[in-house]
Amino acid sequence: SQTIHQWPATLVQPVGSPLSLECTVEGTSNPNLYWYRQAAGRGLQLLFYSVGIGQISSEVPQNLSASRPQDRQFILSSKKLLLSDSGFYLCAWSGRDTLGGQPQHFGDGTRLSIL
Amino acid sequence: AQSVTQLDSQVPVFEEAPVELRCNYSSSVSVYLFWYVQYPNQGLQLLLKYLSGSTLVKGINGFEAEFNKSQTSFHLRKPSVHISDTAEYFCAVIRSGGYQKVTFGIGTKLQVIP
Repeated sequence: SQTIHQWPATLVQPVGSPLSLECTVEGTSNPNLYWYRQAAGRGLQLLFYSVGIGQISSEVPQNLSASRPQDRQFILSSKKLLLSDSGFYLCAWSGRDTLGGQPQHFGDGTRLSIL
Repeated sequence: AQSVTQLDSQVPVFEEAPVELRCNYSSSVSVYLFWYVQYPNQGLQLLLKYLSGSTLVKGINGFEAEFNKSQTSFHLRKPSVHISDTAEYFCAVIRSGGYQKVTFGIGTKLQVIP
């Protein structure tokens, strides 16, 4: 069966520090991968998605970046964190289907607090 | 582009009572529809999905949803809720055909009262 791992579960970082959140998927090949940020009362905001190694699409301009160095690895990074980067970050994957309709499967999230 | 509206931000309901969480969508093309549940400090878990066929879809934990194309709705229902159903519920829509991005609603917090 497929599993998704996301770490760390919680992170407290000072303003201006770098960030690296990692997500890996097991039990499937060539998944679509996603990074979301969730703010209270605002639902899920799609930050990045990837349909293949090295292929990253950014949804919103920000000081975050994403990379996909391996097929089942997705990394969210920042060189200098801002207070506004605080939030709950979720990684997700979905299978590939030419007809669409593949549900997304989520990791347990990372609670990021910027001080 | 498609959009999703969850009409209630919070729904309090007594234990063992029925509940309906409302979801309306808009899209100019065919869509697939999903409901997810999120427990505190966890990721989202798929409850059920509608792709095609029967408009009444049954999911996990006793939940079901009905797709109504004419009213562009996909309301989630449970005939008798438990305390453990206290969570946030998200409706999501994706356009049919190849790779498409998912659009999520802002969520409905279900609070089950003992």
